[in-house]
Amino acid sequence: EVQLLESGGGLVQPGGSLRLSCAASGFTSATYAMAWVRQAPGKGLEWVSGTSGSAVYYVDTVEGRFTISRDNSKNTLYLQMNSLRVDDTAIYYCAKYISGSTAFGLDVWGQGTTVTVSS
Amino acid sequence: IVLTQSPATLSLSPGETATLSCRASRSLRNIGYLAWYQHKPGRAPRLLISGVSARATGIPPRFSGSGSGTDFTLTISNLEPEDSAVYYCQQYATSPFAFGPGTKVDIK
Repeated sequence: EVQLLESGGGLVQPGGSLRLSCAASGFTSATYAMAWVRQAPGKGLEWVSGTSGSAVYYVDTVEGRFTISRDNSKNTLYLQMNSLRVDDTAIYYCAKYISGSTAFGLDVWGQGTTVTVSS
Repeated sequence: IVLTQSPATLSLSPGETATLSCRASRSLRNIGYLAWYQHKPGRAPRLLISGVSARATGIPPRFSGSGSGTDFTLTISNLEPEDSAVYYCQQYATSPFAFGPGTKVDIK
């Protein structure tokens, strides 16, 4: 069964850092484009970052603070989040694209991990 | 590219048809790089439609997508109580691959 399992969320102070992990099972994540999507409390879905091959993409509000990466040997996707702000508080979902390109929809999603940025 | 969705909320009865609109601030190209998702509280989002009109695996024919350029529609026919959810469109023509603000569908 194709699955994604996020981990690494938690409570962090403003200005702090967290690294989210997304362990893939049932498929080889290296052959697919992958993404992180978040949902802040009471808000809608927000695409945060994606990667396809060697290309990486970010929404403007996290550019320079967040870094998406993969460890193909571990079949795992990461999101390194630095200089966290209160408005980064959200459930963070890992998701898989239908193919190796970001030119398709996100067909498999994890259950999400909660990040709370608060003093 | 900014997406707007209308209406914000839709309240319908079982058996009726829901028509959800998604408008892009500029064209998503001839191929139509647009997807639709269903999201229920406490659950992961679910892909319904990709490439404007291609249903994802396991999605019933009651869900259909159409449109081109800047205007797109998700139609849900013969509504069932389980269709209560927030529905989002997403463009993947140009990064950042943004979602629309969502349409909440409430089945009375």
